[in-house]
Amino acid sequence: EPEVTQTPSHQVTQMGQEVILRCVPISNHLYFYWYRQILGQKVEFLVSFYNNEISEKSEIFDDQFSVERPDGSNFTLKIRSTKLEDSAMYFCASKNSNSNQPQHFGDGTRLSIL
Amino acid sequence: GNSVTQMEGPVTLSEEAFLTINCTYTATGYPSLFWYVQYPGEGLQLLLKATKADDKGSNKGFEATYRKETTSFHLEKGSVQVSDSAVYFCGMSHSGYSTLTFGKGTMLLVSP
Repeated sequence: EPEVTQTPSHQVTQMGQEVILRCVPISNHLYFYWYRQILGQKVEFLVSFYNNEISEKSEIFDDQFSVERPDGSNFTLKIRSTKLEDSAMYFCASKNSNSNQPQHFGDGTRLSIL
Repeated sequence: GNSVTQMEGPVTLSEEAFLTINCTYTATGYPSLFWYVQYPGEGLQLLLKATKADDKGSNKGFEATYRKETTSFHLEKGSVQVSDSAVYFCGMSHSGYSTLTFGKGTMLLVSP
């Protein structure tokens, strides 16, 4: 069964550094998402992406964050200047065009900011 | 605003016990409702879904019924197994792009 893959599984970065989290969505999917889960808290929506542009974003997704689909397969989340509070699990998800279909999630990237 | 509330964990049960994890939602309109499961070290996997009132989602012995009158989507299983130990997330989608809003998650621990 096709799946969403995320790399790396664990990223350790110094505060203030830039970090890029990578995702390869399922190949025929058209909608892409990033979520994050701070340890012990709920999974929170960050941003959705469709047709090469952001379609929706939460208040968490400020100017420090950006997303990109640089080629036909990758979907990346960039954090420009990381803060301690950015430490979390970051999940990528994708879905096909049917709005009642579920999102498929990757295994996540654990981001640790030192 | 839109939100999902689910019962606090951990829920600790013996094998073959009956499971209920409560979930209620607040939303405008009629969202689709989901249960996702997260096994240790893994991502979120869809467990079941319901897209309209009175629908029942079911999978792997788990069930949940979309109750519009009580705005609930409680997860149930008649006989849990040790392998069901995981964190369970109730979620809903409420926009044309189906952005998911999740509850805080409920950890289930099943002992032999």
